[in-house]
Amino acid sequence: KAGVTQTPRYLIKTRGQQVTLSCSPISGHRSVSWYQQTPGQGLQFLFEYFSETQRNKGNFPGRFSGRQFSNSRSEMNVSTLELGDSALYLCASSFRGGSGDTQYFGPGTRLTVL
Amino acid sequence: DAKTTQPTSMDCAEGRAANLPCNHSTISGNEYVYWYRQIHSQGPQYIIHGLKNNETNEMASLIITEDRKSSTLILPHATLRDTAVYYCIGRNYGQNFVFGPGTRLSVLP
Repeated sequence: KAGVTQTPRYLIKTRGQQVTLSCSPISGHRSVSWYQQTPGQGLQFLFEYFSETQRNKGNFPGRFSGRQFSNSRSEMNVSTLELGDSALYLCASSFRGGSGDTQYFGPGTRLTVL
Repeated sequence: DAKTTQPTSMDCAEGRAANLPCNHSTISGNEYVYWYRQIHSQGPQYIIHGLKNNETNEMASLIITEDRKSSTLILPHATLRDTAVYYCIGRNYGQNFVFGPGTRLSVLP
Protein backbone atom coordinates (compact mmCIF):
# COMPACT_ATOMS: atom_id res chain seq x y z
CA LYS A 1 0.00 0.00 0.00
CA ALA A 2 1.16 3.51 -0.67
CA GLY A 3 1.90 5.54 2.44
CA VAL A 4 0.52 8.88 3.53
CA THR A 5 1.36 11.60 1.04
CA GLN A 6 1.51 15.31 1.67
CA THR A 7 1.74 18.17 -0.78
CA PRO A 8 3.54 20.40 -1.18
CA ARG A 9 6.69 19.26 0.63
CA TYR A 10 8.08 22.76 0.97
CA LEU A 11 6.37 26.12 0.98
CA ILE A 12 7.51 29.71 1.50
CA LYS A 13 4.95 32.39 2.29
CA THR A 14 4.97 35.90 3.68
CA ARG A 15 3.20 37.23 6.74
CA GLY A 16 -0.49 37.88 6.22
CA GLN A 17 -0.90 35.36 3.43
CA GLN A 18 -2.87 32.16 3.71
CA VAL A 19 -1.84 28.63 2.88
CA THR A 20 -3.52 25.31 2.15
CA LEU A 21 -1.80 21.99 2.76
CA SER A 22 -3.02 18.67 1.43
CA CYS A 23 -2.89 15.14 2.79
CA SER A 24 -3.83 11.85 1.14
CA PRO A 25 -4.24 9.04 3.66
CA ILE A 26 -3.40 5.39 3.23
CA SER A 27 -6.08 3.67 1.18
CA GLY A 28 -8.91 2.49 3.44
CA HIS A 29 -8.01 4.83 6.29
CA ARG A 30 -10.81 7.15 7.34
CA SER A 31 -9.19 9.08 10.18
CA VAL A 32 -6.77 11.90 9.41
CA SER A 33 -4.94 13.91 12.05
CA TRP A 34 -2.77 17.00 11.67
CA TYR A 35 0.20 18.02 13.82
CA GLN A 36 2.49 21.01 13.96
CA GLN A 37 6.13 20.52 14.87
CA THR A 38 8.41 23.39 15.90
CA PRO A 39 11.78 23.32 17.67
CA GLY A 40 10.35 25.16 20.66
CA GLN A 41 7.01 23.37 21.15
CA GLY A 42 7.72 19.94 19.70
CA LEU A 43 4.93 17.93 18.09
CA GLN A 44 1.52 19.39 18.83
CA PHE A 45 -1.88 18.05 17.81
CA LEU A 46 -3.98 20.35 15.63
CA PHE A 47 -7.14 18.38 14.79
CA GLU A 48 -8.54 15.05 13.70
CA TYR A 49 -11.12 14.30 11.03
CA PHE A 50 -13.13 11.14 10.66
CA SER A 51 -15.80 10.62 8.00
CA GLU A 52 -15.66 14.29 7.00
CA THR A 53 -16.31 15.50 10.58
CA GLN A 54 -13.87 17.12 12.95
CA ARG A 55 -13.73 14.76 15.90
CA ASN A 56 -10.99 16.25 18.00
CA LYS A 57 -9.28 19.61 18.18
CA GLY A 58 -6.08 20.84 19.78
CA ASN A 59 -5.38 24.20 21.35
CA PHE A 60 -4.74 26.35 18.28
CA PRO A 61 -6.32 29.64 17.19
CA GLY A 62 -9.15 29.76 14.70
CA ARG A 63 -6.72 30.75 11.95
CA PHE A 64 -6.00 27.03 11.71
CA SER A 65 -8.78 25.09 10.06
CA GLY A 66 -9.23 21.90 8.17
CA ARG A 67 -11.62 19.73 6.30
CA GLN A 68 -11.95 16.20 5.03
CA PHE A 69 -13.47 15.07 1.78
CA SER A 70 -15.60 12.03 1.05
CA ASN A 71 -12.55 10.14 -0.24
CA SER A 72 -10.86 10.78 3.16
CA ARG A 73 -8.33 13.20 1.70
CA SER A 74 -7.82 16.18 3.97
CA GLU A 75 -6.69 19.76 3.74
CA MET A 76 -5.65 22.21 6.37
CA ASN A 77 -5.66 25.95 5.98
CA VAL A 78 -3.81 28.63 7.87
CA SER A 79 -5.00 32.18 7.33
CA THR A 80 -3.21 35.43 8.11
CA LEU A 81 0.14 33.75 8.48
CA GLU A 82 2.48 34.78 11.29
CA LEU A 83 6.21 34.22 11.59
CA GLY A 84 5.53 31.72 14.38
CA ASP A 85 3.59 29.51 12.00
CA SER A 86 6.85 28.42 10.41
CA ALA A 87 6.92 24.71 11.17
CA LEU A 88 6.80 21.17 9.87
CA TYR A 89 3.15 20.22 9.40
CA LEU A 90 2.52 16.52 9.65
CA CYS A 91 -0.48 14.50 8.62
CA ALA A 92 -1.22 11.03 9.99
CA SER A 93 -3.87 8.53 8.99
CA SER A 94 -5.40 5.54 10.70
CA PHE A 95 -8.25 3.17 10.00
CA ARG A 96 -10.72 4.50 12.55
CA GLY A 97 -8.68 6.43 15.10
CA GLY A 98 -9.40 4.16 18.07
CA SER A 99 -6.98 3.56 20.95
CA GLY A 100 -5.41 0.45 19.42
CA ASP A 101 -5.46 1.92 15.95
CA THR A 102 -2.00 2.85 14.68
CA GLN A 103 -1.40 6.23 13.10
CA TYR A 104 0.93 6.40 10.13
CA PHE A 105 2.61 9.69 9.39
CA GLY A 106 3.40 11.37 6.12
CA PRO A 107 6.71 13.10 5.34
CA GLY A 108 5.35 16.51 6.29
CA THR A 109 5.15 19.93 4.67
CA ARG A 110 7.85 22.39 5.69
CA LEU A 111 6.28 25.86 5.85
CA THR A 112 8.48 28.92 6.11
CA VAL A 113 6.85 32.28 6.79
CA LEU A 114 8.94 35.34 5.96
CA ASP B 1 -3.88 10.15 28.12
CA ALA B 2 -1.10 8.96 30.40
CA LYS B 3 1.81 11.32 30.89
CA THR B 4 5.02 9.57 29.93
CA THR B 5 8.57 10.35 30.99
CA GLN B 6 11.68 9.30 29.12
CA PRO B 7 15.40 10.02 29.44
CA THR B 8 16.44 13.02 27.39
CA SER B 9 19.23 11.18 25.61
CA MET B 10 21.02 7.85 25.41
CA ASP B 11 24.01 6.39 23.61
CA CYS B 12 24.36 2.86 22.29
CA ALA B 13 27.23 1.09 20.55
CA GLU B 14 26.54 -0.16 17.06
CA GLY B 15 25.58 -3.84 17.07
CA ARG B 16 24.51 -3.77 20.69
CA ALA B 17 20.96 -3.84 21.98
CA ALA B 18 19.43 -0.46 22.67
CA ASN B 19 17.07 -0.46 25.65
CA LEU B 20 14.91 2.65 25.85
CA PRO B 21 12.86 3.03 29.04
CA CYS B 22 9.57 4.84 29.47
CA ASN B 23 7.66 5.58 32.64
CA HIS B 24 3.87 5.82 32.38
CA SER B 25 2.76 5.40 35.98
CA THR B 26 -0.62 7.09 35.39
CA ILE B 27 -1.64 4.87 32.52
CA SER B 28 -5.21 3.59 32.63
CA GLY B 29 -6.30 0.04 31.96
CA ASN B 30 -7.37 0.59 28.38
CA GLU B 31 -4.55 2.84 27.24
CA TYR B 32 -2.15 1.43 24.72
CA VAL B 33 1.56 2.24 24.84
CA TYR B 34 2.90 3.34 21.47
CA TRP B 35 6.44 3.87 20.31
CA TYR B 36 7.43 6.04 17.36
CA ARG B 37 10.74 7.38 16.20
CA GLN B 38 11.65 10.41 14.16
CA ILE B 39 14.76 10.80 12.12
CA HIS B 40 15.68 14.42 11.57
CA SER B 41 12.97 16.39 9.74
CA GLN B 42 11.09 13.28 8.60
CA GLY B 43 7.62 12.19 9.70
CA PRO B 44 7.48 9.98 12.81
CA GLN B 45 7.77 6.30 12.04
CA TYR B 46 5.61 3.76 13.86
CA ILE B 47 7.63 1.11 15.67
CA ILE B 48 5.39 -0.96 17.92
CA HIS B 49 2.53 -0.79 20.40
CA GLY B 50 1.06 -2.91 23.17
CA LEU B 51 -1.53 -3.05 25.89
CA LYS B 52 -0.53 -5.65 28.47
CA ASN B 53 1.54 -8.35 26.85
CA ASN B 54 5.05 -8.07 25.52
CA GLU B 55 5.16 -7.53 21.80
CA THR B 56 7.74 -8.19 19.10
CA ASN B 57 7.89 -7.29 15.43
CA GLU B 58 10.57 -7.03 12.79
CA MET B 59 11.80 -3.73 14.17
CA ALA B 60 11.76 -4.08 17.93
CA SER B 61 10.45 -5.67 21.09
CA LEU B 62 8.25 -3.99 23.67
CA ILE B 63 8.41 -5.14 27.27
CA ILE B 64 5.59 -3.86 29.50
CA THR B 65 5.83 -4.39 33.24
CA GLU B 66 3.08 -6.37 34.89
CA ASP B 67 1.71 -3.27 36.67
CA ARG B 68 1.89 -1.42 33.31
CA LYS B 69 3.61 1.54 34.92
CA SER B 70 6.64 1.34 32.68
CA SER B 71 7.88 -0.21 29.49
CA THR B 72 11.10 -0.74 27.58
CA LEU B 73 11.63 -0.61 23.85
CA ILE B 74 14.41 -2.92 22.72
CA LEU B 75 16.23 -2.57 19.42
CA PRO B 76 18.12 -5.88 19.38
CA HIS B 77 21.05 -4.93 17.17
CA ALA B 78 21.28 -1.16 16.85
CA THR B 79 22.70 0.30 13.65
CA LEU B 80 23.73 3.84 12.78
CA ARG B 81 20.40 4.25 11.00
CA ASP B 82 18.61 3.80 14.32
CA THR B 83 19.91 7.18 15.48
CA ALA B 84 16.70 9.15 16.04
CA VAL B 85 14.36 10.64 18.62
CA TYR B 86 12.17 7.93 20.15
CA TYR B 87 8.74 8.79 21.51
CA CYS B 88 6.75 6.75 24.02
CA ILE B 89 3.04 7.64 24.07
CA GLY B 90 0.06 6.47 26.06
CA ARG B 91 -3.18 6.67 24.14
CA ASN B 92 -6.78 6.18 25.15
CA TYR B 93 -9.76 5.62 22.90
CA GLY B 94 -10.81 8.70 20.96
CA GLN B 95 -7.82 10.67 22.15
CA ASN B 96 -5.11 12.16 20.04
CA PHE B 97 -1.44 11.29 20.40
CA VAL B 98 0.38 13.54 22.87
CA PHE B 99 4.06 13.62 22.04
CA GLY B 100 6.58 14.48 24.73
CA PRO B 101 10.19 15.50 24.03
CA GLY B 102 11.22 11.85 23.60
CA THR B 103 14.66 10.24 23.94
CA ARG B 104 17.42 11.17 21.55
CA LEU B 105 19.23 7.90 20.81
CA SER B 106 22.70 8.14 19.34
CA VAL B 107 24.16 4.92 17.94
CA LEU B 108 27.91 5.19 17.98
CA PRO B 109 30.28 3.33 15.63
